[in-house]
Amino acid sequence: GAGVSQSPRYKVAKRGQDVALRCDPISGHVSLFWYQQALGQGPEFLTYFQNEAQLDKSGLPSDRFFAERPEGSVSTLKIQRTQQEDSAVYLCASSLYSSRKEQFFGPGTRLTVL
Amino acid sequence: TQLLEQSPQFLSIQEGENLTVYCNSSSVFSSLQWYRQEPGEGPVLLVTVVTGGEVKKLKRLTFQFGDARKDSSLHITAAQPGDTGLYLCAGEEISNFGNEKLTFGTGTRLTIIP
Repeated sequence: GAGVSQSPRYKVAKRGQDVALRCDPISGHVSLFWYQQALGQGPEFLTYFQNEAQLDKSGLPSDRFFAERPEGSVSTLKIQRTQQEDSAVYLCASSLYSSRKEQFFGPGTRLTVL
Repeated sequence: TQLLEQSPQFLSIQEGENLTVYCNSSSVFSSLQWYRQEPGEGPVLLVTVVTGGEVKKLKRLTFQFGDARKDSSLHITAAQPGDTGLYLCAGEEISNFGNEKLTFGTGTRLTIIP
């Protein structure tokens, strides 16, 4: 069965470049989450969508980070003017409802900023 | 931001031995989840504990939620090489925006030596 997919799996960017990371959630899943996982750490919450509405963006570290889910399915996390501290694995997760339901994680995109 | 501390951070033991991993917080969570993450993949949910004092068993894995719902433990009996991975605890809370929000622990990297 199709799980959560993310692309690209690996991205190398020069400092200052913009990047776009894509997440394809499980079909029909209402909720979509983005997390940032630094090397050797647990994931940290970035933002949450319920369908196309971005209800919680409290975890976005700066205004260089922007996420969208215009049709309530595919989501894109965009990072403008990347910095070295943005290097991390970016994980996307989806779940069927908005509360107390299992989050299914994608494999992540490993971003390296040189 | 609520913090979840896991100990030990690294654990390397021989196949067949028993081990316990701890997850501690100063805050109360509505539920606590345990995940296992393998290299290049996203975390996969193992169990959710909700009630203080709750104990759940998953084959050779035993999960316990503290009475005060601030801490949890994972005990593995007769560890096998397939148990190798990064174990993450995650506390669930409901955000100000009404969505569930996971706060992940620092992780325990477990290596089982054949």
